Amino acid sequence: DADVTQTPRNRITKTGKRIMLECSQTKGHDRMYWYRQDPGLGLRLIYYSFDVKDINKGEISDGYSVSRQAQAKFSLSLESAIPNQTALYFCATSDRTGAYGYTFGSGTRLTVV
Amino acid sequence: GENVEQHPSTLSVQEGDSAVIKCTYSDSASNYFPWYKQELGKGPQLIIDIRSNVGEKKDQRIAVTLNKTAKHFSLHITETQPEDSAVYFCASFPSGTYKYIFGTGTRLKVLA
Repeated sequence: DADVTQTPRNRITKTGKRIMLECSQTKGHDRMYWYRQDPGLGLRLIYYSFDVKDINKGEISDGYSVSRQAQAKFSLSLESAIPNQTALYFCATSDRTGAYGYTFGSGTRLTVV
Repeated sequence: GENVEQHPSTLSVQEGDSAVIKCTYSDSASNYFPWYKQELGKGPQLIIDIRSNVGEKKDQRIAVTLNKTAKHFSLHITETQPEDSAVYFCASFPSGTYKYIFGTGTRLKVLA
């Protein structure tokens, strides 16, 4: 099994719908992150969490919310999806220092129509 | 603000040739520089990294160099193979911060 699992892998949803992307990890890492990838823009941080009670906004958090249900689970929600949220979303984890790189999930390709 | 510039955005090389991808970082407090490879349909995977107390690191056909004075670091792939085709991201990790700063990626195509 993958160290970081994202579900679903692909999703098409309509404008205005609420959608949740889920991430679970078996790395035992404290830190979890949600990134968005768009062509030519690289990886942009949406939210990050250092532990269950420590959740912080990243550089592009508007329109998104998160929930850290357990050390191993971190979900991303789009409250009311809009077309410009069409992107590839990645969950990542790191140890508590953050200084040994990330482990990424395989991504969720989200299309908002 | 903090940023990492990555060049080129696309790179095509003949199989067997070398490929070089360059990154420049802005935060002098950065002390760790990982490189990620993203294959189609997969998440980025750490392939090599370097810390600020080292100038060069090699792992088989892959090497990374760091010039702290110029704030440059580069990925070198020798004897490229078709399976090296992917998107490569550089990143920096400023000491005492909470996140990595990523470059915008380089799409490498190795032509058979």
